[in-house]
Amino acid sequence: DAGVTQSPTHLIKTRGQQVTLRCSPISGHKSVSWYQQVLGQGPQFIFQYYEKEERGRGNFPDRFSARQFPNYSSELNVNALLLGDSALYLCASTLRDGLYEQYFGPGTRLTVT
Amino acid sequence: AQSVTQLGSHVSVSEGALVLLRCNYSSSVPPYLFWYVQYPNQGLQLLLKYTSAATLVKGINGFEAEFKKSETSFHLTKPSAHMSDAAEYFCAVSPPNTGTASKLTFGTGTRLQVTL
Repeated sequence: DAGVTQSPTHLIKTRGQQVTLRCSPISGHKSVSWYQQVLGQGPQFIFQYYEKEERGRGNFPDRFSARQFPNYSSELNVNALLLGDSALYLCASTLRDGLYEQYFGPGTRLTVT
Repeated sequence: AQSVTQLGSHVSVSEGALVLLRCNYSSSVPPYLFWYVQYPNQGLQLLLKYTSAATLVKGINGFEAEFKKSETSFHLTKPSAHMSDAAEYFCAVSPPNTGTASKLTFGTGTRLQVTL
């Protein structure tokens, strides 16, 4: 079975632009979480979606938004990009909400210049 | 709010030596704790988790961790390091009273180097 997939792999944007990152969970998984990992730091929780509803939001500004589609794939949108948004964005899926193992994708490397 | 602290951003051990990676947690209630490993240019992989059952938790690849409430610790160990263990290791805690592992707070990570 395919694991969690993310696209694109790498992305370069300019300050002030907008970006959309995509995530496809493992087949049958209904929960998707997004994390931001700045170089040299641990991942930081951004959003969780379960059954297309937001179940949690981390300490991120409103420039960050996300949604989950009927097929359980998800998009993360970031508006008005700042240099500090440069990071590896990780998507993780779980079977459902609860103490289930999170399976992480390889991430999207976003560079803001 | 819950948090984890990983002592030592870099740890170097010889192949065959004991691996000890330290993690201390801060939580107002008994937490759920996790260890993840990240290889270069890859996502994270779960090594093991503590969910209030046995205090000694065995994971994949020969790793284990012991939950010590009195010391607020959840250190990761492996009796004998292998070259393939070289990676970044993250300790993480779940939010209290939610019963979910999908909104984790991660530590800053420990890079494990294994030398011949």
